[in-house]
Amino acid sequence: QKEVEQNSGPLSVPEGAIASLNCTYSDRGSQSFFWYRQYSGKSPELIMFIYSNGDKEDGRFTAQLNKASQYVSLLIRDSQPSDSATYLCAVTRTSYGKLTFGQGTILTVHP
Amino acid sequence: KAGVTQTPRYLIKTRGQQVTLSCSPISGHRSVSWYQQTPGQGLQFLFEYFSETQRNKGNFPGRFSGRQFSNSRSEMNVSTLELGDSALYLCASSFRVLSGANVLTFGAGSRLTVL
Repeated sequence: QKEVEQNSGPLSVPEGAIASLNCTYSDRGSQSFFWYRQYSGKSPELIMFIYSNGDKEDGRFTAQLNKASQYVSLLIRDSQPSDSATYLCAVTRTSYGKLTFGQGTILTVHP
Repeated sequence: KAGVTQTPRYLIKTRGQQVTLSCSPISGHRSVSWYQQTPGQGLQFLFEYFSETQRNKGNFPGRFSGRQFSNSRSEMNVSTLELGDSALYLCASSFRVLSGANVLTFGAGSRLTVL
């Protein structure tokens, strides 16, 4: 079992729709959870992070965390073509810089 | 604030050679982490340095090494290059937020091709 698994994708949604990205993790000691976006040929950029059970909203993005189910998700509302990228889920059990990343989900938003 | 600066951006080496990559973190950030990204393995943690000390190390062979200087700049070195070392090497500097999480900001990366 991989430490961090993401829905395999690729995921294709129409412009204006909600994109739902999912991630499960195996380490119950994980404390912080991150979503990064990576455009083709670029480096990952942080979208948001979450550490408490529940929802965290930032603009069109909502991260949801359920530690009991070892599940974290990212919802993108009103998806735009500019959201087309690879989305990476990452988890860590420490406050240090060692993150464990999932393989990523490729999202395509078509006009 | 300037972002994380990595040099060189692109380089081509041959098997058996060695390579040194450099990373300058965001001003004020004392933690620097290195990651390897390949299409097959994704993003994998190499090591992390904090105040010139290696704080964490990933599962890579001893050919991969790094160091951090007093000004927080970091270098990583790969000796005896193999074809499989071809990858994007990403450096990230980080700071700790109030929640205790360490938030990483990545540089543009150094793309290494081994022939």
